[in-house]
Amino acid sequence: AQSVAQPEDQVNVAEGNPLTVKCTYSVSGNPYLFWYVQYPNRGLQFLLKYITGDNLVKGSYGFEAEFNKSQTSFHLKKPSALVSDSALYFCAVRGGDGGYQKVTFGTGTKLQVIP
Amino acid sequence: DGGITQSPKYLFRKEGQNVTLSCEQNLNHDAMYWYRQDPGQGLRLIYYSQIVNDFQKGDIAEGYSVSREKKESFPLTVTSAQKNPTAFYLCASSPPPGEQFFGPGTRLTVL
Repeated sequence: AQSVAQPEDQVNVAEGNPLTVKCTYSVSGNPYLFWYVQYPNRGLQFLLKYITGDNLVKGSYGFEAEFNKSQTSFHLKKPSALVSDSALYFCAVRGGDGGYQKVTFGTGTKLQVIP
Repeated sequence: DGGITQSPKYLFRKEGQNVTLSCEQNLNHDAMYWYRQDPGQGLRLIYYSQIVNDFQKGDIAEGYSVSREKKESFPLTVTSAQKNPTAFYLCASSPPPGEQFFGPGTRLTVL
């Protein structure tokens, strides 16, 4: 079975500092990995994805993520945090026993950027 | 505008009542999904459909039912067998195997 772990329920970072939101995964075969952001009482918005190719992927709003196959990780990063980045972030994986149509999400990490 | 719509935004259910949540997409995606979101538990997959007239159970299908008679529509019925249905419900669609596009959600409350 496939799974995603986001080990931190909340991450606090000062505005202007770099941020990292951690994600590790477990899946058979090659993973397709995604990051989404959710603002209160809204649906999720896509940030970026890794399908194949360069291990460093760049996405919306200045976010990027690095795929590390040996550590089975896909951490989300941003060089300089903004207060408006404060939201709930989800990591997700496609692949494994359910085929590429089944998607598994992590439990989410709340990012709080402090002015 | 292309996208996914969900209705209603808020829904109230009495004990023992079935209710249906609507999800429509005009993105021409084959795959559609229903998730339940509870605080601190992330998104849990209820049902997904890869093609019209076909759907599979997700991780928490008990007490829910779906249909997929049209490509654009994937309604979710919360039956009286679902003992704790109060939650935020999200519908999504995607091209295979790309990112998912989410609707704005329906908040269901049991009275």
